[in-house]
Amino acid sequence: KQEVTQIPAALSVPEGENLVLNCSFTDSAIYNLQWFRQDPGKGLTSLLLIQSSQREQTSGRLNASLDKSSGRSTLYIAASQPGDSATYLCAVYLTTDSWGKFQFGAGTQVVVTP
Amino acid sequence: SQTIHQWPATLVQPVGSPLSLECTVEGTSNPNLYWYRQAAGRGLQLLFYSVGIGQISSEVPQNLSASRPQDRQFILSSKKLLLSDSGFYLCACSDVNSFTGELFFGEGSRLTVL
Repeated sequence: KQEVTQIPAALSVPEGENLVLNCSFTDSAIYNLQWFRQDPGKGLTSLLLIQSSQREQTSGRLNASLDKSSGRSTLYIAASQPGDSATYLCAVYLTTDSWGKFQFGAGTQVVVTP
Repeated sequence: SQTIHQWPATLVQPVGSPLSLECTVEGTSNPNLYWYRQAAGRGLQLLFYSVGIGQISSEVPQNLSASRPQDRQFILSSKKLLLSDSGFYLCACSDVNSFTGELFFGEGSRLTVL
């Protein structure tokens, strides 16, 4: 069974510092990996999608890498801002199910202090 | 890109009362649709998924049910709510036509059962 783990569960950094969020998964047979942001009481917002054939994706200050062989993905947020405070979740899209099943990590809660 | 509408946004219901949460999708056709529940401080739990009209699969045995009466409409129901049904319910869709497997979420419906 695919398991997705996000460490640390919580992270607090001063403004301007770079954020490094980790996501690990146990089964490398994934179709893609997606990073989401969730603000309190809100739905999930898609940040980056990495296909299984790709090594990384970038959007503005965000960069996500994928290493399928080691079962790891890392989300980098450069020059963090207080507005980056949120919970960040990763999810893998499994190829073993024809209808497309997503397995989520529990998330990393990030606080960026001014 | 897809837009997902969920209503109501907030609901407070007594134990034993019925439930109906609605989700509609814009910007795509024949999407895969999902209902997730997020309990306080916990991860996302997949409740139901649908690959087409009238096609519903359940991931977790419970007193909830789902229906898909139209291509872009997904409804979560219960005949009699339990205290344990309280939580944040999220509707999501993935676009099977784009082949990316990217997942999009609505803003969620918060249910409190008293």
